[in-house]
Amino acid sequence: GENVEQHPSTLSVQEGDSAVIKCTYSDSASNYFPWYKQELGKGPQLIIDIRSNVGEKKDQRIAVTLNKTAKHFSLHITETQPEDSAVYFCAANTGGFKTIFGAGTRLFVKA
Amino acid sequence: DTGVSQNPRHKITKRGQNVTFRCDPISEHNRLYWYRQTLGQGPEFLTYFQNEAQLEKSRLLSDRFSAERPKGSFSTLEIQRTEQGDSAMYLCASTTQGHGYTFGSGTRLTVV
Repeated sequence: GENVEQHPSTLSVQEGDSAVIKCTYSDSASNYFPWYKQELGKGPQLIIDIRSNVGEKKDQRIAVTLNKTAKHFSLHITETQPEDSAVYFCAANTGGFKTIFGAGTRLFVKA
Repeated sequence: DTGVSQNPRHKITKRGQNVTFRCDPISEHNRLYWYRQTLGQGPEFLTYFQNEAQLEKSRLLSDRFSAERPKGSFSTLEIQRTEQGDSAMYLCASTTQGHGYTFGSGTRLTVV
């Protein structure tokens, strides 16, 4: 079945530095790649997504890149702030009904 | 519309008891999902509704689990004869085709 692997599991950065989270997916039919941020006690919140016909997408301090050949996609957060501290999940969808999630990356931004 | 609402937020139950959770999705979303999340893991797919039809169930969903979405509006997830392994966060999400999910805040189940 489809699998999404996510690295690292924990990431600690200094405020103002950049953070990068990387994911790989197994199903070459995947064509939609959302990223979610989950804060303590809350459900995951969609922060950005990218479709397979696009290689890169940016929204203010966050950007996602997609390499379809290598089946890799990444989340980049620039100028990190303490409020960016949370668990981030990558996910992949083949256009069908089900989205598969990675195991998550716990990001700590130290002030 | 205030987003996806889940009730209760927390549930503690004794092993062997039945529990039922409710999800109220965003009204214009025709797709509704239930996911389960354990500590340190990403959400795992349980089941999916398009309108009132339950179109897919994960093998994770044993015969003790049942979900309904009468009239294509709110949904309920029932777990019968709960076991300690059922302890988890149960997340509901809604969406329309081709878009990301809007999740509720989840129901945290603890089976003692």
